[in-house]
Amino acid sequence: DIQMTQSPSTLSASVGDRVTITCRASQSISYWLAWFQHKPGKAPKLLMQKASSLESGVPSRFSGGGSGTEFTLTISSLQPDDFATYYCQQYSDNSRTFGQGTKVEIK
Amino acid sequence: QLLESGGDLVQPGGSLRLSCAASGFTFAHYAMNWVRQAPGKGLEWVSAIGANGDETHYADSVKGRFTISRDNSKNTLDLQMNSLRGDDTAIYYCAKSDCNGAGCRLLNFWGQGTLVSVSS
Repeated sequence: DIQMTQSPSTLSASVGDRVTITCRASQSISYWLAWFQHKPGKAPKLLMQKASSLESGVPSRFSGGGSGTEFTLTISSLQPDDFATYYCQQYSDNSRTFGQGTKVEIK
Repeated sequence: QLLESGGDLVQPGGSLRLSCAASGFTFAHYAMNWVRQAPGKGLEWVSAIGANGDETHYADSVKGRFTISRDNSKNTLDLQMNSLRGDDTAIYYCAKSDCNGAGCRLLNFWGQGTLVSVSS
């Protein structure tokens, strides 16, 4: 199975900060990578597909990049609604593995 | 909307059936999935089924114990879970794929989940 590794596991930041989360795949997944936002007690929400394609309705402060094995999710100016856990997921093969998550918390 | 139900406390070795009621989209046109999150852990994809129910996929961790099924006439997705173990304890989410084959792996809409606890 393809392993997905996110870093950092926890990120402490303030409103207005620029934050970047990294996701690494154990083998090339081309651009078959999605990013999800998850808040406790809520449904996970798809933010990005194909590594850098923003879903409709997702604020433009979110951006994604990368291909192959290294990917990033960047929030250009952190807003109060953005404090959550973020997961990457590869959908290159049927193992459909997720990263372990990055919790973005208030500094 | 995706609304999961059926979560409960069950003893190890026991069985449980989860359901997911779908509305707001043409259920019969999309593959569907189950994804779970164990306490304090990340997300784990569990199973997928194609739009017409003829193709299914399972994670190795549940293969042979769990069975995914759907009823397109009722807009419902089910997960039959047998031989349950402690490490099956998790919130189970129903998630819609972006196209109709079981190999459609992008999960573009999720429910809020139902809790399954396996303990004696």
